Amino acid sequence: NAGVTQTPKFQVLKTGQSMTLQCAQDMNHNSMYWYRQDPGMGLRLIYYSASEGTTDKGEVPNGYNVSRLNKREFSLRLESAAPSQTSVYFCASILRLAHEQYFGPGTRLTVT
Amino acid sequence: KQEVTQIPAALSVPEGENLVLNCSFTDSAIYNLQWFRQDPGKGLTSLLLIQSSQREQTSGRLNASLDKSSGRSTLYIAASQPGDSATYLCAVRQRDSSYKLIFGSGTRLLVRP
Repeated sequence: NAGVTQTPKFQVLKTGQSMTLQCAQDMNHNSMYWYRQDPGMGLRLIYYSASEGTTDKGEVPNGYNVSRLNKREFSLRLESAAPSQTSVYFCASILRLAHEQYFGPGTRLTVT
Repeated sequence: KQEVTQIPAALSVPEGENLVLNCSFTDSAIYNLQWFRQDPGKGLTSLLLIQSSQREQTSGRLNASLDKSSGRSTLYIAASQPGDSATYLCAVRQRDSSYKLIFGSGTRLLVRP
């Protein structure tokens, strides 16, 4: 049981490049989330998927898109990376609202 | 708008001390509250989850309490050890249509041998 996995662990992009962050969970969880963590700003929600087939914006969705590919996988895409998107990105999942939320190990992204 | 505050921002204690970390929130309409631990460069590990109807939860040397009416939660760590050094985050799940998890900015704990 791997829990929540994320790839890649590290990435360096140039301004304007695109990339997709991958997230998968093997716990049969219904809801999945993408957060970014910045020093002094805490964890902020980018997008979430309450259930397979649905996605909704969080606090800071601009510059990002998501896809809930199936129940297991939830990807985050940066279409045209900007230095302001340098951050640590975490994926999380939860079975139901009354349960604990589990986090992946994070992806450290630097945009130059 | 829900705001979650954690005090102190940083704490340094000698090994063996009992300590309390504080979390306060402005909107008492929460579904539950979760405490996490984050080691440097790592993801978040769930420590304790308290439902809005509960007053406390315990796991080993950790005890978390919840007073929803006053908007407060505390995390009590007994007999602290150097391995407890980490950042501790509390988060509340909103009881609204979003059911989002709102995080505090954390308390950075150092337990000195």
